[in-house]
Amino acid sequence: ETGVTQTPRHLVMGMTNKKSLKCEQHLGHNAMYWYKQSAKKPLELMFVYNFKEQTENNSVPSRFSPECPNSSHLFLHLHTLQPEDSALYLCASSQELAGGSYNEQFFGPGTRLTVL
Amino acid sequence: GDSVTQMEGPVTLSEEAFLTINCTYTATGYPSLFWYVQYPGEGLQLLLKATKADDKGSNKGFEATYRKETTSFHLEKGSVQVSDSAVYFCALIGSSNTGKLIFGQGTTLQVKP
Repeated sequence: ETGVTQTPRHLVMGMTNKKSLKCEQHLGHNAMYWYKQSAKKPLELMFVYNFKEQTENNSVPSRFSPECPNSSHLFLHLHTLQPEDSALYLCASSQELAGGSYNEQFFGPGTRLTVL
Repeated sequence: GDSVTQMEGPVTLSEEAFLTINCTYTATGYPSLFWYVQYPGEGLQLLLKATKADDKGSNKGFEATYRKETTSFHLEKGSVQVSDSAVYFCALIGSSNTGKLIFGQGTTLQVKP
């Protein structure tokens, strides 16, 4: 595998289900991100992890719960979602460089989530 | 705070036409600038980037020049193809460089044969 992979690619779930999205990066990066992309809305940054520590949470509802067990893996645990949470969920990774700057982000293909 | 503004879409062109997608930004200092492309059903791919003023990023026939004086990073291509049909996102990482990407709203390009 190369780059950033995401599984599953498509997910349909009911409002009472619990599911998880998985992201894995094969680039040796140390920062990972979750984004939400809804129709006709700008990309929304949800969470940022740097060296496995969460450094940003953009006022995301608690029904979304991220987990970063190591710098290569990132999960998004979902429970009691609403239909308006239906969207494309994108994972990305980047590398913090010497001096604290970052290079560009590399994205996975996304998980298309539908909440019924 | 930092922000990116792109021209409204959709942009519809005939094959081999010249493409310009305007992008302007608001940021302190010298941000790094990026164009990403999203083909139907896929994630975002980095198309090109520029990290300092007057740099020109280029890839696959696309170009963009970092203009500090006009705070712009317009995307251009001399001759578009049907396969270029996609959504194009302009983005920046601010000079404080926490790694956070700020995206524009995206511009849909449709190229007709």
